Amino acid sequence: GAVVSQHPSRVICKSGTSVKIECRSLDFQATTMFWYRQFPKQSLMLMATSNEGSKATYEQGVEKDKFLINHASLTLSTLTVTSAHPEDSSFYICSAPGQIMNTEAFFGQGTRLTVV
Amino acid sequence: DAKTTQPNSMESNEEEPVHLPCNHSTISGTDYIHWYRQLPSQGPEYVIHGLTSNVNNRMASLAIAEDRKSSTLILHRATLRDAAVYYCILRGYQGGSEKLVFGKGTKLTVNP
Repeated sequence: GAVVSQHPSRVICKSGTSVKIECRSLDFQATTMFWYRQFPKQSLMLMATSNEGSKATYEQGVEKDKFLINHASLTLSTLTVTSAHPEDSSFYICSAPGQIMNTEAFFGQGTRLTVV
Repeated sequence: DAKTTQPNSMESNEEEPVHLPCNHSTISGTDYIHWYRQLPSQGPEYVIHGLTSNVNNRMASLAIAEDRKSSTLILHRATLRDAAVYYCILRGYQGGSEKLVFGKGTKLTVNP
């Protein structure tokens, strides 16, 4: 079946640095990808929707200058956490929905970001 | 905002059936009902989805109410590996674009 690959699975970075997370659809084209953040013992919170060839759509309260999203091709979307701070430490997950509503959405394995 | 409501937690014994309920009273006619589950430190995993009719697959069954305002995920024989957080999600368009918004989910504990 279709697979979404997310990389890296875990990363530790210093405060003030930037971290890039990649999300690839391996055997299908994804014109849309969703990015989520999940804090311990909480549900997934939708941060933004990336659209191939156009600007991402951010959810209310999510800083677009801090969480840069690029969807340069039909198989790759990236999330860059800029000037990371310890409060940005979280589990980040990407998802590529099937092209039509009557299909499943595929999720990456998640990225555990720790900012020290 | 999430459009589904689920109990925070449920408990079951191994090899017994489990019925996980979900309320979605504001569902629109074109929304699909999706279920995913998540193990700790992993991305969600697809379980099942449906529109109006009940659905069965190798993992579970989905029973959808006639008015579509609620649904139930049925695990016919729970195993320890089924212990996870289960999310019921409506997949459809909001304001012309698709969103996949998670509610709080139900944490299922399976006792040996």
